[in-house]
Amino acid sequence: AQKITQTQPGMFVQEKEAVTLDCTYDTSDPSYGLFWYKQPSSGEMIFLIYQGSYDQQNATEGRYSLNFQKARKSANLVISASQLGDSAMYFCAMREVYGNNRLAFGKGNQVVVIP
Amino acid sequence: GAGVSQTPSNKVTEKGKYVELRCDPISGHTALYWYRQSLGQGPEFLIYFQGTGAADDSGLPNDRFFAVRPEGSVSTLKIQRTERGDSAVYLCASSLGLAALNPAADTQYFGPGTRLTVL
Repeated sequence: AQKITQTQPGMFVQEKEAVTLDCTYDTSDPSYGLFWYKQPSSGEMIFLIYQGSYDQQNATEGRYSLNFQKARKSANLVISASQLGDSAMYFCAMREVYGNNRLAFGKGNQVVVIP
Repeated sequence: GAGVSQTPSNKVTEKGKYVELRCDPISGHTALYWYRQSLGQGPEFLIYFQGTGAADDSGLPNDRFFAVRPEGSVSTLKIQRTERGDSAVYLCASSLGLAALNPAADTQYFGPGTRLTVL
């Protein structure tokens, strides 16, 4: 069964606008971590932000914030004030603490920032 | 400090040949992971090392794939009798592992990957 679901088609966003990328997950593990990575055309996976299942507040990291809704099992990434360099694939991933140490990734969201 | 490095960045080989892919993790990271990313997909887990031992190799697709980490630092992913279906980007990541205070937050940092093409 797919643990991470990212179903949005490719997105175009105007420079300086905000964009929200959807991610839903499936787990029965009470303790888990959710991660977002950026993969530009160069191919490297760049860590952006982390949210723990027990964290009371939504994670923020500069222009990145995470809209964590535990009951809905969603962890949407919000990128504010988009820049041209934000054009990339964005992957949501989950690590289940009591399962194993692997990251389970979604299929990714393509974002293109237009000037 | 230096990030995760992988060599070679590109590898083209012929069907049936043997290949080795190398990963040099971040200094001090005890955990090392290999993933495989096919075109248009997210990375898929292959194997996880904690120190020198393979703690979880359940993601290796078959016995043609093998990985080692003899001194608990550099790791080598070895693929025997390569097939065209092995063509993909092979990503290596490292993390603090058991040294992480919060296991759930043990962030994995990725290398640039090795693009393997089997002709």
